[in-house]
Amino acid sequence: DAKTTQPPSMDCAEGRAANLPCNHSTISGNEYVYWYRQIHSQGPQYIIHGLKNNETNEMASLIITEDRKSSTLILPHATLRDTAVYYCIVDFGNEKLTFGTGTRLTIIP
Amino acid sequence: SQTIHQWPATLVQPVGSPLSLECTVEGTSNPNLYWYRQAAGRGLQLLFYSVGIGQISSEVPQNLSASRPQDRQFILSSKKLLLSDSGFYLCAWGGQGPGNIQYFGAGTRLSVL
Repeated sequence: DAKTTQPPSMDCAEGRAANLPCNHSTISGNEYVYWYRQIHSQGPQYIIHGLKNNETNEMASLIITEDRKSSTLILPHATLRDTAVYYCIVDFGNEKLTFGTGTRLTIIP
Repeated sequence: SQTIHQWPATLVQPVGSPLSLECTVEGTSNPNLYWYRQAAGRGLQLLFYSVGIGQISSEVPQNLSASRPQDRQFILSSKKLLLSDSGFYLCAWGGQGPGNIQYFGAGTRLSVL
C-alpha cells in the first residue's frame, strides 16, 4: 500500500518557485518525510527530510503541516536542471525506503 | 567524505548468461547496503538489502541473488539471465538508525537480449 500520494506531473516556469505537494495521511509519529529526485538516466538524489519541523538546506525547503498529514517541497528558484521525477517517501529511515511513482516536474523556459 | 562506486555503467548480455554487478562504498563503516531495480518508465523496486557482512534480506523472489563479502562491498548476481532482468540497477548505502539517508550510485543499465 502506498503511504504517499503525489500528483503525477507538474510544470513550473523557470525562475519561479516550484511547490510540490505530498499527502501522507497515515504517517506515524516516528516516520520521517523524505524527498528524493531522479534526473533522467541517473540515480536518485537525496534532497531533504524532516520529522516534524520545517527544514531548509541549500537545495530546497520542506514544509510539513502541523498534523503531519501532508507536506510541500519548495524549490525556491527553479532552473531547467531541476526537471526530474520527485519522490516523496514516508519511512522510519532505519532500513529500506519504498519509492512510489513520484511527480514528474518539468521546468518551462 | 563518502562515495559510492557502481560498475559497469552499461551492460548488454545474452539470455542465459551469468551476471555480476559490483558496488563499493568508501568513507564509512558498517553501512546498510541496497540493490534496487527500475524497469523502463517505472518506479524503483527494492531487490535486496544488507545490514552487515553476510546478512542479506531479499524483497522479491526472482532470478537474482546478492552477497556482501566485505563490509563495504555488495554484489548482485545471476546464474542465468532472463529477458525480464533488463533494467536500471542501482546500488545505495545508508547509515543505521532512524532518520538516516540513503545515497545512490550512478546505476548500471542492463539490457538482456
